[in-house]
Amino acid sequence: QVQLVESGGGVVQPGRSLRLSCAVSGFTFSNYGMHWVRQAPGKGLEWVAVIWFDGSHKYYADSVKGRFTISRDNSKNTLHLQMDSLRAEDTALYYCAGGKDSGYDSGLDYWGQGTLVTVSS
Amino acid sequence: DIVMTQSPDSLAVSLGGTATISCRSSRSVLHSSNNKNYLAWYQHKPGQPPKLLIYWASTRGSGVPGRFSGSGSGSDFTLTISSLQAEDVAVYYCQQYYTTPLTFGGGTKVEIK
Repeated sequence: QVQLVESGGGVVQPGRSLRLSCAVSGFTFSNYGMHWVRQAPGKGLEWVAVIWFDGSHKYYADSVKGRFTISRDNSKNTLHLQMDSLRAEDTALYYCAGGKDSGYDSGLDYWGQGTLVTVSS
Repeated sequence: DIVMTQSPDSLAVSLGGTATISCRSSRSVLHSSNNKNYLAWYQHKPGQPPKLLIYWASTRGSGVPGRFSGSGSGSDFTLTISSLQAEDVAVYYCQQYYTTPLTFGGGTKVEIK
């Protein structure tokens, strides 16, 4: 069965960095675009970033552009999110998610349970 | 950016009743090349990840009960939950995947009256 397991969350001071990972199993990871989506406490869902199946294209929300970097290792079925210059407003539960498209032309079928990032001094 | 506006913010429906949620996009998400609406609906329950209910505006996701249906085209969309069950209590989101940044609506909380 499909499993997406995020890791790497925690408490970090403003301005510092954190790297999230998402280990994927149960589907052909290298065929599909992958996303990060977050939910701040008490707020709705916010899309963060997408990476093409082969890593050739990456797109970001304006709120994280220039600070976050999405990447993938298809040999290890793993998705990453490097988060630099973290701000208090980045505090959220971060989900990795995937759809049945090589890019982003699909709904998000598969979701992890999320990893919590708290940015606080 | 395409802004997704959902209404209402919340609604209470009797068991067995019908819930209707509206979603409007600030511009059309209908792609002329394939006549598809790049619109999805998700169900989100506390402590769980979101679940894809509907994609291409009206296609049910895998294992989604038939009481969930999506309709609409262009910029106006509707999610209908018929014969509401207790397990349908959740927040529902629409999302466009027509272009980046992908955007979600603000969510609609469905409760039992």
